[in-house]
Amino acid sequence: QQQVKQSPQSLIVQKGGISIINCAYENTAFDYFPWYQQFPGKGPALLIAIRPDVSEKKEGRFTISFNKSAKQFSLHIMDSQPGDSATYFCAAKIQGAQKLVFGQGTRLTINP
Amino acid sequence: SAVISQKPSRDICQRGTSLTIQCQVDSQVTMMFWYRQQPGQSLTLIATANQGSEATYESGFVIDKFPISRPNLTFSTLTVSNMSPEDSSIYLCSVVGAEGAFFGQGTRLTVV
Repeated sequence: QQQVKQSPQSLIVQKGGISIINCAYENTAFDYFPWYQQFPGKGPALLIAIRPDVSEKKEGRFTISFNKSAKQFSLHIMDSQPGDSATYFCAAKIQGAQKLVFGQGTRLTINP
Repeated sequence: SAVISQKPSRDICQRGTSLTIQCQVDSQVTMMFWYRQQPGQSLTLIATANQGSEATYESGFVIDKFPISRPNLTFSTLTVSNMSPEDSSIYLCSVVGAEGAFFGQGTRLTVV
């Protein structure tokens, strides 16, 4: 119940295309869902986050879609660029706690 | 967002030895978190470090193997003790702020 399942494991998208990464969870006590971007040799960087009281949040080319009833959320990267090539992690936080549970990660490659 | 500095950034250690990783934050925080990221894998929480009290360890991690110190509200150390090649990982320090959880750049540990 503490798990967050992420897919796909790897993704190749052409430059200018839309990258979509999906996550699913079981624990309804999760109340915060961030996405992290990690480049090789670097720590994860907070990209965008959402709380379950909204269905969508957009920041620039990055959008989180959240489906509370299905217990799913996804990251959409519009107009994907080679600089977006990185590993992306979804995560979730239990209400009242601060620690995060991470998905398995998606290695995204944007072909020029 | 918090600025988190970790030292060392990388190290190669002999099996059976110990390595202490330092984490310095530019602001006072109640909790600091230590994660492990095994090669090509996701992040797994090792323990939560509170100032003035014993660290709280997650299932599968024990204090004898990963002792943690938290002498003040801006600093923590994680020691990886009696290392084996299976301890080769990236170790990450994290803090939570108003905008979310932030990570240091990590310490890449190789045990030979």
